[in-house]
Parts: sequence; structure tokens; C-alpha cells
Amino acid sequence: KAGVTQTPRYLIKTRGQQVTLSCSPISGHRSVSWYQQTPGQGLQFLFEYFSETQRNKGNFPGRFSGRQFSNSRSEMNVSTLELGDSALYLCASSSKTGSIYEQYFGPGTRLTVT
Amino acid sequence: TQLLEQSPQFLSIQEGENLTVYCNSSSVFSSLQWYRQEPGEGPVLLVTVVTGGEVKKLKRLTFQFGDARKDSSLHITAAQPGDTGLYLCAGASSNTGKLIFGQGTTLQVKP
Repeated sequence: KAGVTQTPRYLIKTRGQQVTLSCSPISGHRSVSWYQQTPGQGLQFLFEYFSETQRNKGNFPGRFSGRQFSNSRSEMNVSTLELGDSALYLCASSSKTGSIYEQYFGPGTRLTVT
Repeated sequence: TQLLEQSPQFLSIQEGENLTVYCNSSSVFSSLQWYRQEPGEGPVLLVTVVTGGEVKKLKRLTFQFGDARKDSSLHITAAQPGDTGLYLCAGASSNTGKLIFGQGTTLQVKP
């Protein structure tokens, strides 16, 4: 099976702009989660989508939004970019076997805001 | 709020040494995962432990889940430079399936 793919891998944007990141989960996985990773804060949960519905949400401002399509592909959008949004954005798709949840991560999108 | 405390945060050792990384919480998890992440890449799932007291081995890596399913440890025997990376533990809530991540342990193994 192909793994989780994320595009683009690298992005440079200017403050005030907006950006859209894309994630394609492992085939058959219906849950997609997004995380922001910075050296100081570690992995911070943004949100999770399951069957096109947001199921969980982290503590991020409304500038961060996402959506999921019927084929389980997901996008996240950040509007009015700030310098502090520079980070590695990770997408993970999940499988559930019984009560066991496992997440498989993509390679990430490195966003730099200047 | 569920929290996972990982220790130590940083570890720099010589090739051939042994080490243990700890992951502790006051919450019970239905399962716990360990990941390794290399710079600029996403975390890679190493193992999932489910049963209290469970021990799993992956070559030189030994993972243990605490009896009460609140804590876990990762032990590396005879560390190699290829073991260098960020190790993350993540506990799964049985209710939501949401993963709670520890802050990570950065391991550097010097040749």
C-alpha cells in the first residue's frame, strides 16, 4: 500500500498571505489528522476529519481550517499567515482495529513564513 | 486533560551504550504507540502496545507497557548512530481515539 502523501513538501510564504496544504491518506483509511510541529512546542494537534466531518479539534485560532473530500483526501488552510506559523505540518491517516488506533504520518510540509 | 510526560528530553551517548526512554501519564490509555522521527520527515510508527505489562521487541529495541496502562518505556541496547532521531510516545484515548503525544526525546548516538 502507498503511504500518506503530502504536497507540497516545502513552501515559502509572506506574512498576510494564505496557504493550502494537501494530504492523501493510505487507501482505505477514512480518518485524517493534522498536526503542527515546531522545535519549541513539539507536536500540536490541529484537527481530525472522519468521513468528511470534523471529529476533533485542537486549540488553534480560526485562521486554521480544514476539510475532507469524499475520497478521504484532506486539505488544510491557513489564512492571514503570521511568522509564528512557520512549522512542519504533518498529516496522519488512522486505522482502527478493535480498540486500537494507529496513525501513520506523511513526510510533512515545511512552511516558512517571511 | 490527558498529558504524557516523556523523559529525558535530550540524550547524547556513545555508540554501544544502552539507554531507556520513559513515557508517563496519570491517565489510562487503550493503547500506546512509539514513533521515531528523523529531521525533516514525518514520524514513523515503530510499535503499538495494548495489554498492561506487554513487552515487545524490535531488534535492539524493547518496548514495555505498564501494568496499569499509564506508562511505557523504550530500551535500546547497544545503540548505533542510525538510532539517532526524535522518539515520540503517543497514547490513544479509548473514547475518542485521539492520540496524545509526549514532547519527545531527542537521541544522538555518537560513533
